[in-house]
Amino acid sequence: GDSVTQMEGPVTLSEEAFLTINCTYTATGYPSLFWYVQYPGEGLQLLLKATKADDKGSNKGFEATYRKETTSFHLEKGSVQVSDSAVYFCALSHMDSSYKLIFGSGTRLLVRP
Amino acid sequence: DAMVIQNPRYQVTQFGKPVTLSCSQTLNHNVMYWYQQKSSQAPKLLFHYYDKDFNNEADTPDNFQSRRPNTSFCFLDIRSPGLGDAAMYLCATSRERTASYNEQFFGPGTRLTVL
Repeated sequence: GDSVTQMEGPVTLSEEAFLTINCTYTATGYPSLFWYVQYPGEGLQLLLKATKADDKGSNKGFEATYRKETTSFHLEKGSVQVSDSAVYFCALSHMDSSYKLIFGSGTRLLVRP
Repeated sequence: DAMVIQNPRYQVTQFGKPVTLSCSQTLNHNVMYWYQQKSSQAPKLLFHYYDKDFNNEADTPDNFQSRRPNTSFCFLDIRSPGLGDAAMYLCATSRERTASYNEQFFGPGTRLTVL
């Protein structure tokens, strides 16, 4: 069945460092791909999405490119801030699973001043 | 602003005492979801409504029930909470179950404590 694998955390970075959080998926066809962010004690917020191969989603300085050939959707940011400290979830949605979200396990990011 | 609202944000109940969590939305979305999230884990889908059609996940315990009296509101009922049901409960909506409109919008969650 469909699944999402993302890198283990926590990821600890200094402010202004470059961020990459790896995400790969297993699914047939072309699922929609998402990154959600969860700040402490809050619900999930959609950070960005991509719906077809080679699409690039971007928001608030974060980017991710839908790579069909490597079944990946890695999250990147050129310069992180302390306020980016949160848990990041990669997810997919696919017709075969009635468009329910299939989540990765989440990656905690801690940015130090 | 259109949004997903959950009340209360924090709920304390006693072991075995029924509890109801509430979700409302101003997005006019057709689909509403309930998730359970335990500490340091991804959200786990309990069930969802597509319009009035209820869709239960195979591994959701019978202790969890849901009601959707109208488009805007959806309730999660826990009939006899156990200690293992302490978690964050998240409500989400999506416009449709299609490739074009399947992104989900989440509420802030209700944190349930069971004493």
